[in-house]
Formats: sequence, structure tokens, C-alpha cells
Amino acid sequence: GAGVSQSPSNKVTEKGKDVELRCDPISGHTALYWYRQSLGQGLEFLIYFQGNSAPDKSGLPSDRFSAERTGGSVSTLTIQRTQQEDSAVYLCASSRGRGDYGYTFGSGTRLTVV
Amino acid sequence: AQSVTQLDSQVPVFEEAPVELRCNYSSSVSVYLFWYVQYPNQGLQLLLKYLSGSTLVKGINGFEAEFNKSQTSFHLRKPSVHISDTAEYFCAVSDIRGGSEKLVFGKGTKLTVNP
Repeated sequence: GAGVSQSPSNKVTEKGKDVELRCDPISGHTALYWYRQSLGQGLEFLIYFQGNSAPDKSGLPSDRFSAERTGGSVSTLTIQRTQQEDSAVYLCASSRGRGDYGYTFGSGTRLTVV
Repeated sequence: AQSVTQLDSQVPVFEEAPVELRCNYSSSVSVYLFWYVQYPNQGLQLLLKYLSGSTLVKGINGFEAEFNKSQTSFHLRKPSVHISDTAEYFCAVSDIRGGSEKLVFGKGTKLTVNP
């Protein structure tokens, strides 16, 4: 597509439930990133996928967080047993690959855990 | 690990005034530097980037930034701002380690342009 698409745009969930956030990157972009944006905290790196290489999961805050990227395209970020501190905007970005830092960001998913 | 410090969390200015948003990074190796802008309820958009070459980088919407290696700074400037420049601005530095490439972002500076 023309841009990075994220769904849903907003998600309200009850504490303890699992949620799945989806990211559809720009066609042909081999690199995909997930970031978390909390109020006043800037962007926190979560995970990075590059082609068929093993992902860099070093930013995932706990084992409740996981992500996968199927067929080198769409990615899903899953948060299990959600907690109130998981409330944030989750941003996805893609780029053409190694050495290309012109990330294109999606509009994000605003997650609220009540 | 790389880190970025944006010294001002909020910057209010009047329309047509000049503005400087400050950014310092910590790194002992060569880095790439970026400024992104986020308008309300939107994703981030690249304003400009420094990869190599001239230390003065020009971006979109009349913004420019200067890379200063000795001061480890990459401050963003605009000589005359408009109401439409009201947004949050993020400075970022590349972090390349162990085959992984990613950007490390600062906490952002909210620029408010008042009439």
C-alpha cells in the first residue's frame, strides 16, 4: 500500500485480557519496527524485523509481549494478560532495509487497559 | 548504548519568531541523526537526516539542523515559524549493533506557536 497501515486505531481492553495489534508495512519494505509511545516518554523501541533474519527482540519489556512477521510482510504484536501500564500508543514503522533510515510510520494503535 | 537528550520538553513561541529545539546525543562512534515531527493524532514524519557530508542539513517545511560532533549536538532551527508548525518534535540517533539497526528517540519537544 501507499503507507504503513495499523489496526485497530483504538483498542480498549480489560486488564488481564490478551490483545493483538496489526501492522501492514509498505510493499517491498524489508525492515519493520515496533515502538511504544507513552505520555512524556518518547518512543521506546520494542522489536525489529529485517527480512528473514532473526528479529531483534531486545526492547520487549516482558515475556507477555511477543511479535511475529508472516511472509516478510504483515506483523502482529501480541500482549498477553494486559496490565494498566501497557496503556500507550503502539507505533509501527517500515523501511527499505539495512542502511535506510527513512522510516515511514503508521498512525499507531492507542491501547487503553481498564 | 546510544541515548538522546532533548533539553526542552515544551517550547512556546510567537508566530514568525525564530526557534531552536535542542538535541544532544551520547556516542563514541559515528552516528546518523534525525529529526521527526508528529502532528496531533498522526504518526511520525521525517523532517531531515544527517548521514554524512555537510554538517548543515536542510529539511522540509523550512527546517534545518546542524551536526556538531565536538558538542555531540544536532539542534533543529527555523528562522520564522508558523502556526502550522505546532507539533511534537523528536530527535533520534542510529544504534547499530550486532546486525541490528534501529533508531533511539529522545522524549520529544512540544512546540507551540502562538499568534
